[in-house]
Amino acid sequence: TQLLEQSPQFLSIQEGENLTVYCNSSSVFSSLQWYRQEPGEGPVLLVTVVTGGEVKKLKRLTFQFGDARKDSSLHITAAQPGDTGLYLCAGAKGAQKLVFGQGTRLTINP
Amino acid sequence: DVKVTQSSRYLVKRTGEKVFLECVQDMDHENMFWYRQDPGLGLRLIYFSYDVKMKEKGDIPEGYSVSREKKERFSLILESASTNQTSMYLCASSPDISGNTIYFGEGSWLTVV
Repeated sequence: TQLLEQSPQFLSIQEGENLTVYCNSSSVFSSLQWYRQEPGEGPVLLVTVVTGGEVKKLKRLTFQFGDARKDSSLHITAAQPGDTGLYLCAGAKGAQKLVFGQGTRLTINP
Repeated sequence: DVKVTQSSRYLVKRTGEKVFLECVQDMDHENMFWYRQDPGLGLRLIYFSYDVKMKEKGDIPEGYSVSREKKERFSLILESASTNQTSMYLCASSPDISGNTIYFGEGSWLTVV
């Protein structure tokens, strides 16, 4: 059973377009993290959101935690080829281990 | 910067071989983790350790064991490798057991033939 569902699983768009990736669950999380993973490398933490409704920005990336702390979104404005990669969300539930989504593979075409 | 180093990036092993994957972290973290990553399945936790000589099963421990003799080193062992263990293996460390702040190594690609 996948506790965190990411959508879409694959996304290929042109440079300059905007996009949103979703991470949904029926469970409540104490925090949620987003990672980017490039081919042949380990995931790198982008952001952690903790408070329901929280919005964090990282340059052209905007992360939002749902009010009920069950879901999150990642919005990229004016995507660039350097944004290409696998984006993973992960939820934390207190002292329990992180639960990862299956990932969204994003390709930005020049 | 935190450094998690996986000594073997690419391995090819035969079915039935014993395989050791080594991981070292340099931040004195109490907690270390081993995940495997497969397309469409995300990261699945195999084992974790919250202290030296302590280990706990994750979600998919079957076919694997681990060793934590020193705080900085966490080894994953495949006692008898099988083809369904072909995967990308990721080691991680964290200062907290929940993994809220987790640092990954670069991964070890294992192919079992």
